[in-house]
Amino acid sequence: DTAVSQTPKYLVTQMGNDKSIKCEQNLGHDTMYWYKQDSKKFLKIMFSYNNKELIINETVPNRFSPKSPDKAHLNLHINSLELGDSAVYFCASSQEAGLAGEQYFGPGTRLTVT
Amino acid sequence: EDQVTQSPEALRLQEGESSSLNCSYTVSGLRGLFWYRQDPGKGPEFLFTLYSAGEEKEKERLKATLTKKESFLHITAPKPEDSATYLCAGSNDYKLSFGAGTTVTVRA
Repeated sequence: DTAVSQTPKYLVTQMGNDKSIKCEQNLGHDTMYWYKQDSKKFLKIMFSYNNKELIINETVPNRFSPKSPDKAHLNLHINSLELGDSAVYFCASSQEAGLAGEQYFGPGTRLTVT
Repeated sequence: EDQVTQSPEALRLQEGESSSLNCSYTVSGLRGLFWYRQDPGKGPEFLFTLYSAGEEKEKERLKATLTKKESFLHITAPKPEDSATYLCAGSNDYKLSFGAGTTVTVRA
């Protein structure tokens, strides 16, 4: 049983396109996150949702929009993709709201923008 | 500004050769200090949370400790399967800051 799953695993697209990444967790957690890991391996938090409500929104371009249809799903939609958006995007979930609880990460989606 | 710095960037060990990884942090109002393990092509895997200075936690060959300014991850008698990137992260109520990680390679 996969605890946190993401689709797709790989995404190759051209500049200017719009794409979505889906995330689902079956852990019964209330909080979900999106992270970006760049080529230098730094993990940066982008968004956090608690019970479908946005609670953390780091400085991220408006082209990125998270959507949480229910507390088990958190999708990431990206408009007008740019070369700098190329990275690995990780979804995660935790039992606790905020940032003090242990998080469970998905396998990542490698986005390549050409 | 909240910051987490890990050293060294890379560590090559012989099997059985114990060593320590360092994580120094400046996170105001620290709520928790986390250690994660990341294998190539995979998401980070949770290892430990430390909440207060003096706290220690152990799991198999790994032991994490916390002071007011640093955390250490000690690897005792490592095996090749301990090869991975180890990430440290500090959180307060507003932000979770990750370090760049230490990539550990254990040779048989």
